Amino acid sequence: TQLLEQSPQFLSIQEGENLTVYCNSSSVFSSLQWYRQEPGEGPVLLVTVVTGGEVKKLKRLTFQFGDARKDSSLHITAAQPGDTGLYLCAGAGAAGNKLTFGGGTRVLVKP
Amino acid sequence: DSGVTQTPKHLITATGQRVTLRCSPRSGDLSVYWYQQSLDQGLQFLIQYYNGEERAKGNILERFSAQQFPDLHSELNLSSLELGDSALYFCASSVRGQQGTDTQYFGPGTRLTVL
Repeated sequence: TQLLEQSPQFLSIQEGENLTVYCNSSSVFSSLQWYRQEPGEGPVLLVTVVTGGEVKKLKRLTFQFGDARKDSSLHITAAQPGDTGLYLCAGAGAAGNKLTFGGGTRVLVKP
Repeated sequence: DSGVTQTPKHLITATGQRVTLRCSPRSGDLSVYWYQQSLDQGLQFLIQYYNGEERAKGNILERFSAQQFPDLHSELNLSSLELGDSALYFCASSVRGQQGTDTQYFGPGTRLTVL
């Protein structure tokens, strides 16, 4: 069974600070996706990383996929209250057809 | 808006009852996935259909079943409901069924409350 561990579970920071969320596993994933979820809504895809060592930037968000494709991180620079939400990482196995989700990191950015 | 639609948005029912949740995938997507999200278990994969056929199974109970119709919409049937079945149920769709880079897009979910 593939498992994804996310840390921390909860993060509360002031507007303007930086934060990093980690997603770790002992398993190799063919790709890894990051989602953000608002209360009562479905997860919204932020990025998909596929290649080991890949770094993708989305405005103030930087996503990195580990060289061994077992771990990933999400870094937010100068966080804003609009970044508040539940961040989920999800790994796709070799078949690519089902996602294994991490437990999520709840981020609160205070103005 | 992901393009995936789910109905109903909310459902309240009693233990022992049966309900049907409906999902319409994005236009052109052949795969439909069902997930359950509860407070203690997080997001759990239930089942996948690709072009009408079951493709993969996850932690789906025997009381639950699903199908995908020729027009590619899907239904998740939950029977003999228990209090512990209360959760958010999400549908996701993607273009392909087996591809490492195949991205899944999630619907807004159905919140099921079993009283």
